[in-house]
Amino acid sequence: QKEVEQDPGPLSVPEGAIVSLNCTYSNSAFQYFMWYRQYSRKGPELLMYTYSSGNKEDGRFTAQVDKSSKYISLFIRDSQPSDSATYLCAIPRSNDYKLSFGAGTTVTVRA
Amino acid sequence: EAGVAQSPRYKIIEKRQSVAFWCNPISGHATLYWYQQILGQGPKLLIQFQNNGVVDDSQLPKDRFSAERLKGVDSTLKIQPAKLEDSAVYLCASSRSPQREDTQYFGPGTRLTVL
Repeated sequence: QKEVEQDPGPLSVPEGAIVSLNCTYSNSAFQYFMWYRQYSRKGPELLMYTYSSGNKEDGRFTAQVDKSSKYISLFIRDSQPSDSATYLCAIPRSNDYKLSFGAGTTVTVRA
Repeated sequence: EAGVAQSPRYKIIEKRQSVAFWCNPISGHATLYWYQQILGQGPKLLIQFQNNGVVDDSQLPKDRFSAERLKGVDSTLKIQPAKLEDSAVYLCASSRSPQREDTQYFGPGTRLTVL
């Protein structure tokens, strides 16, 4: 079983829609959760991180963690064509902080 | 602040040939990572350096891959001989320290195609 599972999509939505992205993880010891955004032909860049259960907002982006279900989500409100990218969830291992990445979900926002 | 630099950006080689990638991390970043990202997958850590010492190379196929970070700054990753399954994007990342709170900054990657 992979440590982090993510539906690769792809996902195509119209401009202005809400985008919902999800990952599941297997290790209940994980405590820190990250979302990276990767534009085509670029390296990943950190978008958001959160420590605990609940929601964290940053502008149009909301990260949500449900530790009881081992489930993390990223929501993008009022999506824009510039949000078109691959979104990767990443979780540092508790003992050595090595990042376990999901496969990434490719999102296309249509103008 | 300048980002992580990598070169070349693209490389096409035939199987059994050798290839080398170069990475210049962000100034002052002690920790350097090499990742392999196969199409449709997330990055997989190959090797982690702390200054010029190797912290973790458990996922590095040592029969064909090698990496070094001389003087604790620039790093090179070499593949010799290359196999078809080595076709991937090779990403270099750096951070101030290996702590999870220190963000890893990624370079643009080198896209390797092995024919």
